[in-house]
Amino acid sequence: NAGVTQTPKFQVLKTGQSMTLQCAQDMNHNSMYWYRQDPGMGLRLIYYSASEGTTDKGEVPNGYNVSRLNKREFSLRLESAAPSQTSVYFCASSEVRGRGPYGYTFGSGTRLTVV
Amino acid sequence: GDSVTQMEGPVTLSEEAFLTINCTYTATGYPSLFWYVQYPGEGLQLLLKATKADDKGSNKGFEATYRKETTSFHLEKGSVQVSDSAVYFCALNNAGNMLTFGGGTRLMVKP
Repeated sequence: NAGVTQTPKFQVLKTGQSMTLQCAQDMNHNSMYWYRQDPGMGLRLIYYSASEGTTDKGEVPNGYNVSRLNKREFSLRLESAAPSQTSVYFCASSEVRGRGPYGYTFGSGTRLTVV
Repeated sequence: GDSVTQMEGPVTLSEEAFLTINCTYTATGYPSLFWYVQYPGEGLQLLLKATKADDKGSNKGFEATYRKETTSFHLEKGSVQVSDSAVYFCALNNAGNMLTFGGGTRLMVKP
């Protein structure tokens, strides 16, 4: 009954360091997403993967890269972290069938601080 | 493009008060509409949904009715509890499987 699992839950980076946020889902969903949530703001889409083997930019892709490793896993990489990337990052997944209604299943988030 | 507008928070209520959180949307076609809830320190959870005009979604005492004529999907609950304190997000799905989220509304319920 895991759903969407994100690791790590917390991370502190120094400016310029790199890291990869991991996300895995066990619901056999086709689509996966990475969002960031900043204080006082809603969710902003960074990247998404409509299906295994495809990735596309969202609203705020600069400074990030993604890999859809297989159907289960979708990772987000920060190549050179900046303080502006301090945020809470959420991974989500969903099934695609015809024309919905499709709800997303969210992970519990990764709280990243860049100092 | 599609957009969702929610009332700004925080909304502060006493326990057992009536709750309304307004949500309006702009979209072409016939989107599906959702409410998500985010409890402190957690990810978002689907609260309820509606797929066509006049549908009413409901869950855990919360309700929202899809009103196409006013492009609204307001969230209501007759008697809130302290445990309902959370951030509530309205969202729509119009094409493919992309959700468009509102900015979120924080609800604080005091004993």
